[in-house]
Amino acid sequence: ELKVEQNPLFLSMQEGKNYTIYCNYSTTSDRLYWYRQDPGKSLESLFVLLSNGAVKQEGRLMASLDTKARLSTLHITAAVHDLSATYFCAVDGAGKSTFGDGTTLTVKP
Amino acid sequence: ETGVTQTPRHLVMGMTNKKSLKCEQHLGHNAMYWYKQSAKKPLELMFVYSLEERVENNSVPSRFSPECPNSSHLFLHLHTLQPEDSALYLCASSQDRHSNQPQHFGDGTRLSIL
Repeated sequence: ELKVEQNPLFLSMQEGKNYTIYCNYSTTSDRLYWYRQDPGKSLESLFVLLSNGAVKQEGRLMASLDTKARLSTLHITAAVHDLSATYFCAVDGAGKSTFGDGTTLTVKP
Repeated sequence: ETGVTQTPRHLVMGMTNKKSLKCEQHLGHNAMYWYKQSAKKPLELMFVYSLEERVENNSVPSRFSPECPNSSHLFLHLHTLQPEDSALYLCASSQDRHSNQPQHFGDGTRLSIL
């Protein structure tokens, strides 16, 4: 059974600071997704990572994938309040897609 | 405007009712998805359709029955649901099932089972 663990589950950070969210998974996978969800809203796709060493960046967010370590990171650079949301990773493996529990990020002034 | 429209936005039904959720996209996408988001469980991918054929069914109970009559429309037929089926149901589409392009999500249907 594929397990996906995100940490931390809750993150409070100050504007202007950098931080990293981690997504570990338990079995081989060649596809990992990051999503954002604002409170009371739907999901928004952020990144699709397809291969070992893949790195994608959009604005202040950068995602990377290490398939050997079964680890993806979502790095936040110089956080701003608008980044406050819940971030989910999801992994395709063992014939299904499995989500992490999400990381709720609060960016404070 | 997300390009993916879900109706209804809210639905309250009894356990013996039959209802359907509708999803529509005019983005020219070939893959469509149903997700379930419960308050106490991780997000779940329920079904995946590619070119109108079901390609993934992730151990979903038979009281949920998907239908994809064409590449623009996706339905989720509901029958004799349980209270634990109360959740936010999200529809999404993407260019192809294994595209490296992002999925587009609808706003969801908030379902409450009495």
